[in-house]
Amino acid sequence: AQKITQTQPGMFVQEKEAVTLDCTYDTSDPSYGLFWYKQPSSGEMIFLIYQGSYDQQNATEGRYSLNFQKARKSANLVISASQLGDSAMYFCAMREGTFEGAQKLVFGQGTRLTINP
Amino acid sequence: EAGVVQSPRYKIIEKKQPVAFWCNPISGHNTLYWYLQNLGQGPELLIRYENEEAVDDSQLPKDRFSAERLKGVDSTLKIQPAELGDSAVYLCASSLRGGYTDTQYFGPGTRLTVL
Repeated sequence: AQKITQTQPGMFVQEKEAVTLDCTYDTSDPSYGLFWYKQPSSGEMIFLIYQGSYDQQNATEGRYSLNFQKARKSANLVISASQLGDSAMYFCAMREGTFEGAQKLVFGQGTRLTINP
Repeated sequence: EAGVVQSPRYKIIEKKQPVAFWCNPISGHNTLYWYLQNLGQGPELLIRYENEEAVDDSQLPKDRFSAERLKGVDSTLKIQPAELGDSAVYLCASSLRGGYTDTQYFGPGTRLTVL
């Protein structure tokens, strides 16, 4: 079973609009971390934001926020006031903490975001 | 602070040739990872080091792939011999420790093309 599911292969958004990238995850481990990365065409994976399973509040980092709904196993990335430079591939990833062999970071398939001027 | 450094950025080789990739992690990061990223997909872990020890190499195809991390700093990933299906991006990442809350920082990757 897929541990991380990103259902939007591609999204097109007008500049300055807010955008939400969907991510759902599957785990029975009570301890886990959720990460979002941005991968521009240059290829480097850029860390954006982190949410821990025990965190009470949604994580925020500048224009990025994470809409964490634990009961629904959802960790959507929200980008406010989108910019042309936000055009890239976005990956959601999870790392489980307790089970043996579950220490690796597992990525979703990604969502390609295109910001139109 | 310098990020994760990888070289080369691009490599084109003939099948059956050997190839090696080098990674220098962020200073002070004890944990180092090698990932494989096929076109249009998310990265997949090949091997994880904590200091000099390979603590998770279950996804590394050991018949042709090898890796080392001498002195717990730089690391080299080798493929010998390369096959057409090895064409992909090889990403190196590092983190302070290896816990589930620990953020991994990635290098720019090496894009390998096997002809």
